[in-house]
Amino acid sequence: KAGVTQTPRYLIKTRGQQVTLSCSPISGHRSVSWYQQTPGQGLQFLFEYFSETQRNKGNFPGRFSGRQFSNSRSEMNVSTLELGDSALYLCASSPGGGQGFTDTQYFGPGTRLTVL
Amino acid sequence: GQNIDQPTEMTATEGAIVQINCTYQTSGFNGLFWYQQHAGEAPTFLSYNVLDGLEEKGRFSSFLSRSKGYSYLLLKELQMKDSASYLCALNQAGTALIFGKGTTLSVSS
Repeated sequence: KAGVTQTPRYLIKTRGQQVTLSCSPISGHRSVSWYQQTPGQGLQFLFEYFSETQRNKGNFPGRFSGRQFSNSRSEMNVSTLELGDSALYLCASSPGGGQGFTDTQYFGPGTRLTVL
Repeated sequence: GQNIDQPTEMTATEGAIVQINCTYQTSGFNGLFWYQQHAGEAPTFLSYNVLDGLEEKGRFSSFLSRSKGYSYLLLKELQMKDSASYLCALNQAGTALIFGKGTTLSVSS
């Protein structure tokens, strides 16, 4: 089976712009989660989508949003970019049948976002 | 909230055994994951503990004690390719995977 794919792999934006990142989960997986990874804070949970609905949400401002399509592919959007949004954005997929996160999550390679 | 603590860095030599500890303070969780992340790559799943005790998978073992708020990852017969960051994460009911900041392991010859 193909793994989790993310596009683009690298992105450079300027403050105030917005950005959309894409994630294609492993075939058959219905849950997609998004994480932000920075050297200072480590891996932090953004949100999880299951069957096109946001099922869980972390402590990030409303500038961070996401959606999931009927084929389970997911996108996340960050509006009004700030310098502090520079990070590696990882998505992870899991079968999603259980409540919450008892399934093992499989991570994609990430999108490296740099905000200038 | 949750506090997950791991040592920031560890060093070891090829062929040795290393134990990476993870301590946490939380009111309840489903289980505890360990992930490995090589520099510039995605985290990859290593192990998942639900019940107290030891889970063994080849050269890697993971232990959980809920009463002590403690887990460890044991790596045996270390190889150079084991140089990576090791992430401990709690799977808490109804919420996300909560990660520690990771332990960077350097294996030298």
